[in-house]
Amino acid sequence: RKEVEQDPGPFNVPEGATVAFNCTYSNSASQSFFWYRQDCRKEPKLLMSVYSSGNEDGRFTAQLNRASQYISLLIRDSKLSDSATYLCVVPHGSSNTGKLIFGQGTTLQVKP
Amino acid sequence: GAGVSQSPSNKVTEKGKDVELRCDPISGHTALYWYRQSLGQGLEFLIYFQGNSAPDKSGLPSDRFSAERTGGSVSTLTIQRTQQEDSAVYLCASSPARVGGTFGSGTRLTIV
Repeated sequence: RKEVEQDPGPFNVPEGATVAFNCTYSNSASQSFFWYRQDCRKEPKLLMSVYSSGNEDGRFTAQLNRASQYISLLIRDSKLSDSATYLCVVPHGSSNTGKLIFGQGTTLQVKP
Repeated sequence: GAGVSQSPSNKVTEKGKDVELRCDPISGHTALYWYRQSLGQGLEFLIYFQGNSAPDKSGLPSDRFSAERTGGSVSTLTIQRTQQEDSAVYLCASSPARVGGTFGSGTRLTIV
């Protein structure tokens, strides 16, 4: 099993739609999780951090389910500018150090 | 500086030559990561530095790849005897301990 797995998509949704992505991880000891956004031919940028059960920032909500070892990202009222690849990131190991493992990303296309 | 700086932004080199890529992390960030990304692919972990600890080199694809971090700040990634499959975008990120990293804009390496 890969350390971090994501459905690559693409998810094609109309403007205003609500869309959710899931990400599963194999390391049960992981304590913190991240969602990054990557635009075409650009570097990834940190979107949200998840340290406990979840986090909300405007239209974006991240949820953590430790029992099932998955995290989700919910985007409400999708905008054209939300079109990007969303990367799930899980640190390797449980200590305060360790490399960040990136999922392959889920591509979102928001259509007018 | 305000962000992670990488140089050069683009590098074209002949097969068999050595190349050196540079990363200037955000001041005070203890963790530094190198990843590479081929066109249309996910991020591939290469190496991770954390403070004065021994680096995690588990992602380096061959002994032609090496990296160092001098004085806990600037890092250089060296690729010896480059091959065409080394062509990719090489991304550097830095972070305080256990927080999502901030990426530089990458070095686009093309081996001809």
